Amino acid sequence: GEDVEQSLFLSVREGDSSVINCTYTDSSSTYLYWYKQEPGAGLQLLTYIFSNMDMKQDQRLTVLLNKKDKHLSLRIADTQTGDSAIYFCAEGILSGGYNKLIFGAGTRLAVHP
Amino acid sequence: SQTIHQWPATLVQPVGSPLSLECTVEGTSNPNLYWYRQAAGRGLQLLFYSVGIGQISSEVPQNLSASRPQDRQFILSSKKLLLSDSGFYLCAWSVGLGGTGDNYGYTFGSGTRLTVV
Repeated sequence: GEDVEQSLFLSVREGDSSVINCTYTDSSSTYLYWYKQEPGAGLQLLTYIFSNMDMKQDQRLTVLLNKKDKHLSLRIADTQTGDSAIYFCAEGILSGGYNKLIFGAGTRLAVHP
Repeated sequence: SQTIHQWPATLVQPVGSPLSLECTVEGTSNPNLYWYRQAAGRGLQLLFYSVGIGQISSEVPQNLSASRPQDRQFILSSKKLLLSDSGFYLCAWSVGLGGTGDNYGYTFGSGTRLTVV
């Protein structure tokens, strides 16, 4: 079946690194994504990784993919208060003529001084 | 560049009243369009998707319906709202398979917060 799981909460100190983890079940995923949602707003695509890659780095963001264990993580270096938001993991599966995104429930990241 | 517009931003409606939420996309053609609902403190639930004009697929049975009267317009409707329809509704678009774009990720609108009272 199609399922994406992630922990619901993470609290970090400003300046530390944050690591948000995600597991998924469908091994046929094409791309995996990280989205950020700030209060009262829509989702913003942060970064994505193709399923045959192990790692992708984009400034303060590092995505690690362990395809064997179906585990995806997002590391935010030097976490700032502006990083406080809900982070959604999603896997993309080609289905019925479109790229179906299956989202996790979201991890609420709280950054404190 | 492509943009997605969704309105209204907030809506308070009584139980039993009709609903119409509209979403339009600019700067692209033949997009795939999606309606999601996010209940308070919960994840995203895909309600409907559309790969072309007049083509609507429903993911879950519910009190809502969707229509795509034009290529870049997606409408979410209900004839009679229920309390359980309250939530944050998000419209999104993506390139169709075979279109340009390297990740087929979704671009989301800013959302509509619906409160049914």
